[in-house]
Amino acid sequence: DTEVTQTPKHLVMGMTNKKSLKCEQHMGHRAMYWYKQKAKKPPELMFVYSYEKLSINESVPSRFSPECPNSSLLNLHLHALQPEDSALYLCASSDVDGTGVRSNQPQHFGDGTRLSIL
Amino acid sequence: GNSVTQMEGPVTLSEEAFLTINCTYTATGYPSLFWYVQYPGEGLQLLLKATKADDKGSNKGFEATYRKETTSFHLEKGSVQVSDSAVYFCALSRSSGSARQLTFGSGTQLTVLP
Repeated sequence: DTEVTQTPKHLVMGMTNKKSLKCEQHMGHRAMYWYKQKAKKPPELMFVYSYEKLSINESVPSRFSPECPNSSLLNLHLHALQPEDSALYLCASSDVDGTGVRSNQPQHFGDGTRLSIL
Repeated sequence: GNSVTQMEGPVTLSEEAFLTINCTYTATGYPSLFWYVQYPGEGLQLLLKATKADDKGSNKGFEATYRKETTSFHLEKGSVQVSDSAVYFCALSRSSGSARQLTFGSGTQLTVLP
């Protein structure tokens, strides 16, 4: 069982639709991440939130809009997506290295949302 | 910059065979190193980790040793099972502000035949 919960597990949407992906963790982690994974490839980082503030945006198109309402929740709002955006979207969380001391804690991943754009 | 190079797959083994998946890295400073496993239709699960030179991570019969002199973190298992069939990712962790960023290798598909 994963400690990071993602909903929905599957999503099919048209290019004009608006939908949202949701991620929840209750491990007290203060960093949360969105990744995109294409088949047979490693995950690609999209966004990083640290202490509920966006700290990294890896040049992601504006049709993807992240939101972190509180320390346990992370959303990814989708609008006007393209067929090439079809992929597995993974959420992860981790402890935050707030003191500058090297953290040894790994990222914990959810099972992902498999997104198909028609 | 930081990078991870992983053994090309796919790898096909018979049950009870010995497994090695090679992983080497390039990084500044002292990264932490991880192996993640992804079963079909699932997300990534942490398999094991090592945080400093000569550390050995182990879990479920898998082992990997952080070798700074050869910048390697090879994954090994003495006797694989059919249930070990999955994709394995080597990764290193580096600081980015107050969060940790992972750099992944390309992944190695393992298939174990009965």
